[in-house]
This record gives sequence, structure tokens and C-alpha cells, in this order.
Amino acid sequence: DTGVSQDPRHKITKRGQNVTFRCDPISEHNRLYWYRQTLGQGPEFLTYFQNEAQLEKSRLLSDRFSAERPKGSFSTLEIQRTEQGDSAMYLCASSLSVEETQYFGPGTRLLVL
Amino acid sequence: SQQGEEDPQALSIQEGENATMNCSYKTSINNLQWYRQNSGRGLVHLILIRSNEREKHSGRLRVTLDTSKKSSSLLITASRAADTASYFCGDTGRRALTFGSGTRLQVQP
Repeated sequence: DTGVSQDPRHKITKRGQNVTFRCDPISEHNRLYWYRQTLGQGPEFLTYFQNEAQLEKSRLLSDRFSAERPKGSFSTLEIQRTEQGDSAMYLCASSLSVEETQYFGPGTRLLVL
Repeated sequence: SQQGEEDPQALSIQEGENATMNCSYKTSINNLQWYRQNSGRGLVHLILIRSNEREKHSGRLRVTLDTSKKSSSLLITASRAADTASYFCGDTGRRALTFGSGTRLQVQP
């Protein structure tokens, strides 16, 4: 399967713990995006990368969130000191360029107890 | 702020009927993309329509774009129970997609 993959698919953690998610984009895609989706809502943009450069971060991305794409391939999203409000589906997508289709991964569902 | 806003929020039809969903956006677009999402899953890409296109087809799907009205519509013909899902539109602007809350389509067998 050469689509976008995400790991883990599900994560349950206690409030205050740190969590890290991984996204592997489609191999030739330069752009990588992170979104967050809560129940009944559409995905909300968090941040995106052009190769290894993080070009923009949403106001939703507080200083507890950090994302990296060290070699321009896979990306990680870390949430420090998790809060119950962080419970959501975290979606990763990739595309060849801003003008082309974004392909989404299956998402990581986070539950903070 | 939300760019694509879908209408209606919910739609229930019988199998075999057509389903039409609308999307409105606020600023100028590069292109507009429609996605489907089954409960608890990721988004599946359906169609991308560019700002200089007016209509696009893919199987049972037909998308139109009216840039003067800043709106788009998705038509699903001869619906099936498997079409039950949420449908989202998003604009690919300078950075990333901005979505509305989606249309929840229920196709009754």
C-alpha cells in the first residue's frame, strides 16, 4: 500500500502525559499537512511542511504542540502535557504541491483521560 | 475561519435517489476538493475541480463550480447504501484545506 500511513491508530493516555504520532506520506510528495478533527466537525488545519521546512502553524497549535519532518519524509506530531481538550482525531495528509490533491491517512484517534 | 461550508448539514434519501450537496466559500479559490468520510475513518478524496473549470464528472459523481457565486455542488446519482457518509468540501488556497462541518448523508436501503 503506497498511501499515507499513520501510527498509532489509537492512543489512550492520561492527562499530563506526552504523546507522539507519526505520519508517513506518499513517497514523492513534498507537502505534508496535519489536521485535527473533533466529533461532528470538519478537519481543522494545524500545520504544514514543504519538504523539511515547517511553513505555517495554525493558532490552534499551542506551544504544547510540536511537529517535525527532519528529512523531508515522515513527520511526527508531539503533544506535551496533554489535556482532555486534546482528545480528537489527528489526520495527516500529503500532496505533490499546493495545487494538487491532498491524500489523507487513516488518522490517529487520541483519548485523554 | 471556515472557508468551505456545506449545505444541508444532514440529508436522508432512499437508495436509488440522487443526492445533492452544496458548498459555499468566502474568498477566491485555487481549486476546490470534495471528500467523503465514513464514521471514524480518514478522508477519501472524491474530486478536485480547478477554478477555471465549471463541471467535472467521475462515475456517479458530478461536481459543478460557480466562481461568481462562490459555490460548488456535488451530485451523487443513483445512490447506494454504501454512499452513507459525511461529505466535505475544502479549498486549496496558499497553504492547506479549510473545511466546513460537512453534510451527513444517510442512504436508506
